[in-house]
Amino acid sequence: DGGITQSPKYLFRKEGQNVTLSCEQNLNHDAMYWYRQDPGQGLRLIYYSQIVNDFQKGDIAEGYSVSREKKESFPLTVTSAQKNPTAFYLCASSKWTGGRSGANVLTFGAGSRLTVL
Amino acid sequence: RKEVEQDPGPFNVPEGATVAFNCTYSNSASQSFFWYRQDCRKEPKLLMSVYSSGNEDGRFTAQLNRASQYISLLIRDSKLSDSATYLCVVAPQAGTALIFGKGTTLSVSS
Repeated sequence: DGGITQSPKYLFRKEGQNVTLSCEQNLNHDAMYWYRQDPGQGLRLIYYSQIVNDFQKGDIAEGYSVSREKKESFPLTVTSAQKNPTAFYLCASSKWTGGRSGANVLTFGAGSRLTVL
Repeated sequence: RKEVEQDPGPFNVPEGATVAFNCTYSNSASQSFFWYRQDCRKEPKLLMSVYSSGNEDGRFTAQLNRASQYISLLIRDSKLSDSATYLCVVAPQAGTALIFGKGTTLSVSS
């Protein structure tokens, strides 16, 4: 079955360490996204990518980095520059409508819960 | 004004009740609208898209009012399994990343 796989599900990090969250999809979707969710808050966009080897900053990109070397994969690195990284991280993908009107329906992975000790 | 605003609730209703959620958005040029459902500590999942003509899926009805820039979700005959957070989602323009509201929490009790 097609879907999005995020790993690890739970991750603990010491302050000052970089960590990389994995996101893989086999839906043949062009676009991939990373969101962050804090308790009682909505999803905030970190980065998104419409096509391989290209990505754009979202609303809260500082302290994060991404790469898109393959269509299926969009890993997120949480760097030591991110001052408050404890959160629930959600990866999603969608077909890219290329500017045409229509739905950008997102399919989400199960999420990665990062805790900084 | 926030881009997408929802009443956070919680809405506490008995089984069988009808409940309605509203959501307002600030960008009048917004193109696409959705309701997602998120269970506790899980990922959001698409509940339904919202069309200008309104649409219905079983006990769920979604409406869009472009003039007033709000979206609604009506749930009839609430079930215990409807307990979740409902996220209002807007695409500011075609092909752009979606903007999520903070969600409205529904708790259905027996």
